[in-house]
Amino acid sequence: AQRVTQPEKLLSVFKGAPVELKCNYSYSGSPELFWYVQYSRQRLQLLLRHISRESIKGFTADLNKGETSFHLKKPFAQEEDSAMYYCALSGHSGNTPLVFGKGTRLSVIA
Amino acid sequence: DAGITQSPRHKVTETGTPVTLRCHQTENHRYMYWYRQDPGHGLRLIHYSYGVKDTDKGEVSDGYSVSRSKTEDFLLTLESATSSQTSVYFCATYRDRGLLEQYFGPGTRLTVT
Repeated sequence: AQRVTQPEKLLSVFKGAPVELKCNYSYSGSPELFWYVQYSRQRLQLLLRHISRESIKGFTADLNKGETSFHLKKPFAQEEDSAMYYCALSGHSGNTPLVFGKGTRLSVIA
Repeated sequence: DAGITQSPRHKVTETGTPVTLRCHQTENHRYMYWYRQDPGHGLRLIHYSYGVKDTDKGEVSDGYSVSRSKTEDFLLTLESATSSQTSVYFCATYRDRGLLEQYFGPGTRLTVT
């Protein structure tokens, strides 16, 4: 069964500190992994997808198949990073519905 | 935002009444999805569609039905609303060409009293 686990409901960091949002997944095949972000009362937006291997807003995420993880990292947190972050998984065929983790709320303290 | 709109954006209704939420997209995307968002649960899939009149159930489909008579519209109906269906409902579409990703609508906040 497909499952995404985000162990932290809330993560508070000080501005300028490093951030790591954890995501672990369970999937029998080769998944596509995503990070979505939701700013206060806004729609979800795609932040990263693992196949792109890009950095968006200073965030990066590396797929570790051995540890079945896709942690989101940023070296220096900014106040505008405060938001809800969801890790999501899709089957090999990208049009299969996303399975979401329960989300982690990131609060960056000035 | 891939031209996705949802209506209504907010609704308060009473237990036992039927409610229909509408998702409209202008990009001619084939795939459309309905999710509900609840604290502590994240987003959970209710129903999805892979074409006109082609739909399938998701993780939490009980108490919900959907219809898709046109490519651009995907309707979610709560046949007899219950307080447990108080939630924020998000529609999403999948761009299956070019940059492959799901796009989300702005959400509908539904309160069942």
